[in-house]
Parts: sequence; structure tokens; C-alpha cells
Amino acid sequence: EADIYQTPRYLVIGTGKKITLECSQTMGHDKMYWYQQDPGMELHLIHYSYGVNSTEKGDLSSESTVSRIRTEHFPLTLESARPSHTSQYLCASRGIADSYNEQFFGPGTRLTVL
Amino acid sequence: KNQVEQSPQSLIILEGKNCTLQCNYTVSPFSNLRWYKQDTGRGPVSLTIMTFSENTKSNGRYTATLDADTKQSSLHITASQLSDSASYICVVSDRGSTLGRLYFGRGTQLTVWP
Repeated sequence: EADIYQTPRYLVIGTGKKITLECSQTMGHDKMYWYQQDPGMELHLIHYSYGVNSTEKGDLSSESTVSRIRTEHFPLTLESARPSHTSQYLCASRGIADSYNEQFFGPGTRLTVL
Repeated sequence: KNQVEQSPQSLIILEGKNCTLQCNYTVSPFSNLRWYKQDTGRGPVSLTIMTFSENTKSNGRYTATLDADTKQSSLHITASQLSDSASYICVVSDRGSTLGRLYFGRGTQLTVWP
């Protein structure tokens, strides 16, 4: 089982609150990713990072921001949550030497904004 | 446009029965195809991976096939168990992308009844 962790697993908050979703991996992977997934839909890439101090936006526009100050840590922040942000957020990582491009996923954070 | 299409969208079978899930893709240039299992409220976990030169790969009761010419893949589950109830996601990786971009299908939701 991959060593990638996400907290909290579930979060219910009110509109306008600032939240940070945590993601950590202990595999020393350089590349990390954030995906958003709605029920019955495919995963959409919202942020990714090649390594420390590298962050890029993904295919799906998101009002969230990310940071990568340490290799193992890739938090996602919403400055002012809205009901449209309600979704499942999945973090993943990949080793730079992995030729198969295998991404290991965390358990996800289910966010509900009231 | 790079796409991954899966069928059926959902499937209900009785415990002990076999089933086959389908995946069609248009991702190019192709690198590999992976089947993931995603339990409700969890992150995806890799079941099998196949490169261009492989046309079948087994993992216990799961057998995946790949036809790179027709760009089709299938996942066959033998002697289904209640624990097989999950979403099965077909994921295709393109070649030559430093990001290691993955293209996700929407998944087939499998329910196994006792």
C-alpha cells in the first residue's frame, strides 16, 4: 500500500471559510498532483508539482491554490469556500524514475460546503 | 482529443459470477493503460498495467486485455466476490510528457449482490 496520506478525510464547513487540505507522502516522490472528482465523473487534474517550489495549474480551472515547500508535503488551500467547491479531492504522487508513470493515490478528502 | 470511454456505466451481478468491463481510448501517443479499483470514499488502487507490447495481464481474479490496434481494453473479473463492489477506472498514460499526464475514464460502477 502506498504511503500517501490526506487529512482530513471528511470536512463539512460553511460558506466563506478558509480551508487547507493536507497531503503528505513518505516515498520521496518528486511529482505530486491534486485531482477533483465528482460522483460518477472522471478525475480532473487541478494542480501539479514537479518538485520543491514548483507548482502549476492543471486542466480544470480551480479557485484553490497549492504550495510545495517540502518534497513530502503538498497542501491545497481554498481562501473562501463556496458550495460549488463541494467535491472529493484526491492527492497523488509519482517517482521521477518511474517509467510506467504510476501515480499513487491518497484516500481523498470529501469536502462539503454548506 | 485524448479521451477514455468506459462501458457499461454500471453493472450488477450476483456473487460468484464473471463479468467484463470495457474501455476504449483515443490517447496518442500511447504509453500504457492501467485499470484502477476505487472503493467508495477511497483513492484509486492500481490493479494491472499494460504497455504497447502486452496484450494480457492478470492479477489474481482480474485479467486485463489490450488491443493497441483497435485501442480497446477489457477487464475480466472471475468468480466475483462482495468485496469486488467498487468503481473500476480505465486510465491511459501518454508518452513523452514530462508531467506524466493520465487520462481517466468515468469508471464502471460494479455492484456484487449475495
